[in-house]
Amino acid sequence: DVKVTQSSRYLVKRTGEKVFLECVQDMDHENMFWYRQDPGLGLRLIYFSYDVKMKEKGDIPEGYSVSREKKERFSLILESASTNQTSMYLCASSPSRGGVGYEQFFGPGTRLTVL
Amino acid sequence: AQSVTQLGSHVSVSEGALVLLRCNYSSSVPPYLFWYVQYPNQGLQLLLKYTSAATLVKGINGFEAEFKKSETSFHLTKPSAHMRDAAEYFCAVPLSGGSYIPTFGRGTSLIVHP
Repeated sequence: DVKVTQSSRYLVKRTGEKVFLECVQDMDHENMFWYRQDPGLGLRLIYFSYDVKMKEKGDIPEGYSVSREKKERFSLILESASTNQTSMYLCASSPSRGGVGYEQFFGPGTRLTVL
Repeated sequence: AQSVTQLGSHVSVSEGALVLLRCNYSSSVPPYLFWYVQYPNQGLQLLLKYTSAATLVKGINGFEAEFKKSETSFHLTKPSAHMRDAAEYFCAVPLSGGSYIPTFGRGTSLIVHP
């Protein structure tokens, strides 16, 4: 059974803390993505990566950074958490070739609360 | 760049009634279209996808969607709603051409009444 796992389901942090969200996929996918999901706004792309050590900004990269040192792992970093980063964070992966339509596979999400 | 519009942030139906969730894409015919479902406190999972092989696409859990080029639409339907269908539904299309990066609609929350 293919899987995308995220390090935490729920996380509570304080303003100013450095926060790490980790995502691991076991499907040997080239592409990995980080989204945040807020009510009424749908999914917004923060960053994506198409290969190890490669990263590209999405629609809302401000206040975030990412790291991809291994193919299966993609980390999202909040350098200094703020209350407006309270949200649901979703990780996804997809194949770059051969996967017709580039279907995305999602993790269960991390609900982050910043106090 | 492509975009998708989902009409109605909430759709409410009675159990056993027809489900219709609307999705329209913005411009040129996309090579792929997707519907994803998100059950409470879970990530998204693929419900069905259009790949130009057939305009009527069948997905999991009795859902289907029909691609209509003339209407730039890819509406999702199910003949008879179940309580377990209560979830958030997202339509998605490649950002441009055959891009592996999708753009998502804002989602439609399906509410099913007993």
